[in-house]
Amino acid sequence: EVQVVQSGAEVKKAGESLKISCQWSGDIYTSYLIAWVRQMPDKGLEWMGIIYPSDSDTRYGPSFQGQVTISVDKSISTAFLQWSSLKASDTGIYYCATRPPTRTHFNVWGRGSLVTVSS
Amino acid sequence: QSALTQPASVSGSPGQSITISCAGGSSDFGDYKYVSWYQQHPGKAPKLIISEVDYRPSGISYRFSGSKSGNTAFLTISGLQSEDEADYYCCSFTDDSFYVFGTGTRVTVL
Repeated sequence: EVQVVQSGAEVKKAGESLKISCQWSGDIYTSYLIAWVRQMPDKGLEWMGIIYPSDSDTRYGPSFQGQVTISVDKSISTAFLQWSSLKASDTGIYYCATRPPTRTHFNVWGRGSLVTVSS
Repeated sequence: QSALTQPASVSGSPGQSITISCAGGSSDFGDYKYVSWYQQHPGKAPKLIISEVDYRPSGISYRFSGSKSGNTAFLTISGLQSEDEADYYCCSFTDDSFYVFGTGTRVTVL
């Protein structure tokens, strides 16, 4: 059974950099994809982007292109979401989720990483 | 890419059926089958309850069902129970190969 474990909560200041992680279990990298989803305080879900661990092919949502970087390290079964310069508006919970091959839904979700950015 | 439109809230009494709509443009829904639904309880991660418009994953109650008509998808919860009180989100894989979530619907059990 596929499982994902996300890194813990982070408290940062505006302008700082940050990299959060999502480690999967099971041999999924050859076919599954890993997506990142943002949820700002008391708001809905927003799709940020998705990466194919097998070849690192990445696609970003229009609102997030150029704002974040999604990457993967297959050797440690981990996907990453990073910011080079955080803003207060980046405050929120960030979920990673797996997408099975040839499907379009997200079947396994991490518990989320809370990111708090002070101005 | 605008979010798909869902009603902000829907309520019902225990045992009743409720339906949540998810409306978008023709390009939002892409292929007919690329719609999924997620349930999110307060403080918890989202959970897949419906995939490919009307497929119920293993372990999901038969009381949840999905459908689609034109550019609107629907989630129906029958036999409403207190544990169904949560936020619900639709999600579509679009013609442009992006994902877009709905605005979310809060379900209240009266």
